[in-house]
Amino acid sequence: EDQVTQSPEALRLQEGESSSLNCSYTVSGLRGLFWYRQDPGKGPEFLFTLYSAGEEKEKERLKATLTKKESFLHITAPKPEDSATYLCAVHSGGGADGLTFGKGTHLIIQP
Amino acid sequence: EAGVTQSPTHLIKTRGQQATLRCSPISGHTSVYWYQQALGLGLQFLLWYDEGEERNRGNFPPRFSGRQFPNYSSELNVNALELEDSALYLCASSLPATAVRTPLHFGNGTRLTVT
Repeated sequence: EDQVTQSPEALRLQEGESSSLNCSYTVSGLRGLFWYRQDPGKGPEFLFTLYSAGEEKEKERLKATLTKKESFLHITAPKPEDSATYLCAVHSGGGADGLTFGKGTHLIIQP
Repeated sequence: EAGVTQSPTHLIKTRGQQATLRCSPISGHTSVYWYQQALGLGLQFLLWYDEGEERNRGNFPPRFSGRQFPNYSSELNVNALELEDSALYLCASSLPATAVRTPLHFGNGTRLTVT
């Protein structure tokens, strides 16, 4: 059974304090790993897709990286508007829809 | 480009009633997915439609059903509503599923409250 574990569950940072969120996965044949941002009461907003180990993607203060067992979402010099829940999902061909979501990391950036 | 649109944004029903939720995918997307997100919980997969057919369903009872129309829009029906059906229902769309999966794009959901 495919598994996706995100850590930490919650993270509180000061504005400008860089950190990383982790997404560990156990799947049978990774076909894609996705990062989303979700604000309260809204749908997840797509951020990045990673397909193979060693791949990196960047967008503003965010950078996503992928290894064979985990992905990291690095946040550099975050601002309060980066506060959100960050979700990781993997597609392996297993699971009812082929996509397994983690439970997310709730990130709070304090000014 | 318009994103995934869902209606209504909020829906209040009484236990035992039926609810119908609607979704319009991004233009060019043929796959539509439905997820339930209860308060404090992760996304739970409900249904997947592609090219008008149900491709798969998650571990939910049969009173959760839906369909996809020729224009690829979709609706989710929940019969005999129970209090625990209260949740945010999210619709997502994507290009047709292939060996390399393209990302799902989500709407902002319908907040269903059952009293």
